Formats: sequence, structure tokens, C-alpha cells
Amino acid sequence: AQSVTQLDSQVPVFEEAPVELRCNYSSSVSVYLFWYVQYPNQGLQLLLKYLSGSTLVKGINGFEAEFNKSQTSFHLRKPSVHISDTAEYFCAVSDLGSARQLTFGSGTQLTVLP
Amino acid sequence: KAGVTQTPRYLIKTRGQQVTLSCSPISGHRSVSWYQQTPGQGLQFLFEYFSETQRNKGNFPGRFSGRQFSNSRSEMNVSTLELGDSALYLCASSPGGGPTGELFFGEGSRLTVL
Repeated sequence: AQSVTQLDSQVPVFEEAPVELRCNYSSSVSVYLFWYVQYPNQGLQLLLKYLSGSTLVKGINGFEAEFNKSQTSFHLRKPSVHISDTAEYFCAVSDLGSARQLTFGSGTQLTVLP
Repeated sequence: KAGVTQTPRYLIKTRGQQVTLSCSPISGHRSVSWYQQTPGQGLQFLFEYFSETQRNKGNFPGRFSGRQFSNSRSEMNVSTLELGDSALYLCASSPGGGPTGELFFGEGSRLTVL
């Protein structure tokens, strides 16, 4: 079984500032890692994913994340945020045999302030 | 290409009733997964269907059931509704072939149980 911990439930940041949303996971097997974003009253949209290969993953909207196996982390970063990035962000994992059965973290509400 | 369509978007039921939610996946996608999202428990996996067969199941009571039709459309049913079943129910589809793990989510069906 896996678990995901998102260390910050709320992250306020000023527009054009950098941001990092933290995610740690626990698993006894190899995993796939994902970040999804949810805008109000909408479903989830995939930002980026790590399946294998390069540990630095680039996604949509200028986001990137780095897989750190030794620290079991998959932190999400963006060098300069916009008001439109205000949303809830979810980190998720799945094991290699059940790629569509995701275990989600509790979410981080990112609020970008003008 | 049309996205994942969920109906109804909103519904109100009373305790003891049952409800059926519908999900039409992206054309060509053969896997449909269902997730429950609540403020207290977050996002939790309910089940996944692939080619009309349940492939994975989460830790929910037997009151929660689902099925998938030959055209890949899926329904989930909750019987004997309880107050705690109030949630946003999200459907996600994927091609279902290789383990890419990317899920495409609908906007959800928001169920309120009174």
C-alpha cells in the first residue's frame, strides 16, 4: 500500500514569485508519481507525471517536479506564478501494476496574491 | 475530441434512497475509474472497469457498485444512502492499454444526501 503526504495545506504567494509545493510518499514497491490540479467546480487535470527516466519532469503551464528516490519526494515547482495558477494541487502515486488506481495526497491550496 | 462527461452534475437525495451516476469516457478509452472526493477523506479510489470487467476495487462497502457497458460508458450505484455519502464523485477515463497512468477526469457529480 502507498501513502502520500502533502506537507502544506495552504500556500499563499505573491504574483511572479516562485513557489514549491511539497509531496512525500511512502511505498514498498516502485511507483509512478503525478501532480494534478483542480480549479473550482471542475475535475482534475494532469500537470505532469514521472514514470521512469529523467528525475526532472516538466509539465504544462510552466510547472516542473523532481523525483528524489532517496528522500521519497516529488516536489512541484514554478519559477514565477500567475493569478490564474490559483487552484488546489494534488500529488498522487500508483504502483506499477495498478496504474489507474491512484492514491492521492490531501491537497495543497495555492493562492496567488496580486 | 469530447472530454469525459458525467451526469447528472448535481443531485439531492435523502437517506435510504439509492442513486445512479453516469460517465461517458473519451472516445476510444476503454478504462473508467471512479473516485469519491470529500473534505474530510479527500480523494479516494472506488473502482476501475476495463472492457466491462472490474479490474480494481477500493475499500468501500458493498453499497457502492458499478458496471461498464460494451460502449465503455460506466455507471456507479450507491444504495441505501447515508449522510456520509455526500461527496463529489469523479469519473476518469484512460486508454487502458499501457501503464501510462494518465487519467482524464470529468467535472464530477455532486451528491448531497439529506
